[in-house]
Amino acid sequence: DGGITQSPKYLFRKEGQNVTLSCEQNLNHDAMYWYRQDPGQGLRLIYYSQIVNDFQKGDIAEGYSVSREKKESFPLTVTSAQKNPTAFYLCASRRQGGTDTQYFGPGTRLTVL
Amino acid sequence: AQSVTQPDIHITVSEGASLELRCNYSYGATPYLFWYVQSPGQGLQLLLKYFSGDTLVQGIKGFEAEFKRSQSSFNLRKPSVHWSDAAEYFCAVGAGGNEKLTFGTGTRLTIIP
Repeated sequence: DGGITQSPKYLFRKEGQNVTLSCEQNLNHDAMYWYRQDPGQGLRLIYYSQIVNDFQKGDIAEGYSVSREKKESFPLTVTSAQKNPTAFYLCASRRQGGTDTQYFGPGTRLTVL
Repeated sequence: AQSVTQPDIHITVSEGASLELRCNYSYGATPYLFWYVQSPGQGLQLLLKYFSGDTLVQGIKGFEAEFKRSQSSFNLRKPSVHWSDAAEYFCAVGAGGNEKLTFGTGTRLTIIP
């Protein structure tokens, strides 16, 4: 069954700790994306990667880091430098091509206590 | 830079009534336009998309949208809503290569019996 997996669904961390959110896809998609969603603000792009071992900052990259060592995996680390990390995080992927669509995972809700 | 405006934060509709959700975009060239739906605590599901050709686009779940270049709009419509349509709806615009999407802030749809 093909799709995008994000784990865990809920994540709790203490302030000052780094935390890594997982995103895996078995769709053989080239591009992967991380978005942050806050109430009333829609989705904002954190990082994206169009190819293995390469990634670009999105609109709100400060306090976040990513890696893309494998085509199917694009983990996001929320560092202690992120001032307001509590949010819903969505991962997406897309097959490279001008008219292809981004498909989304189920999301991870991160709460920093 | 591209942008998307969804002027209605919250809409309430009676079950069986028609629905129109508004979306206005700003983009210099021909945009790629999308409508996604999100149930609470879930990821986003693609309803429909417009890249070129016929300006009236049919999607899943009985939804359609019309691209109007002169009005920079891509409004979503459904002739008769069902209780299961209650969700949040996001309009998004992509650049030519569709590497990055810009999302609107969303419209929350409530259905009353």
